[in-house]
Amino acid sequence: DVKVTQSSRYLVKRTGEKVFLECVQDMDHENMFWYRQDPGLGLRLIYFSYDVKMKEKGDIPEGYSVSREKKERFSLILESASTNQTSMYLCASRGGGSGNTIYFGEGSWLTVV
Amino acid sequence: KQEVTQIPAALSVPEGENLVLNCSFTDSAIYNLQWFRQDPGKGLTSLLLIQSSQREQTSGRLNASLDKSSGRSTLYIAASQPGDSATYLCAVRPVDNYGQNFVFGPGTRLSVLP
Repeated sequence: DVKVTQSSRYLVKRTGEKVFLECVQDMDHENMFWYRQDPGLGLRLIYFSYDVKMKEKGDIPEGYSVSREKKERFSLILESASTNQTSMYLCASRGGGSGNTIYFGEGSWLTVV
Repeated sequence: KQEVTQIPAALSVPEGENLVLNCSFTDSAIYNLQWFRQDPGKGLTSLLLIQSSQREQTSGRLNASLDKSSGRSTLYIAASQPGDSATYLCAVRPVDNYGQNFVFGPGTRLSVLP
């Protein structure tokens, strides 16, 4: 069965802390994505990666960075967390080609205090 | 720039009713369209994927149609059940931007009353 696993479901961090959100997929997918979801704003793409060590900015990359050292793992990094980064973060993956389904993890709720 | 809208924003129906959720997109140059379900506080679960060359897809009580030329898709749910209560989102994968990104609609929040 398809699986995208986000390591932390709920996190509470202090302003200025460095935060790591980890995502692992077991489908050998080339493409991986990080979204954030906020009420009234919907899903917004932060970063995506189409191969190991490759990354592309999405719509709202400011304040975030990513790392993809292995094909199955895609990490989102908040270098210095701020309260406006309190949100639900969703990781997703998709196989190559034009017709493939995108699969999501369960989400990580981050609260920055 | 591709935009996706969904009507209605919220819907409440009695159990057993058939219902239709609507999704509209502004640019017909898409690879595919996907419907998702999201339960409160959870991630998105893929329901149906329709390729740009297809007209519809079916899975159990769900049927999704695609009219690319008019920029519309509908999700039909037959014989609704309380367990169908969730937010339903559609997303298109545009041909531009190398088709890497998906553009999501805001969702329709469905409540099925027992």
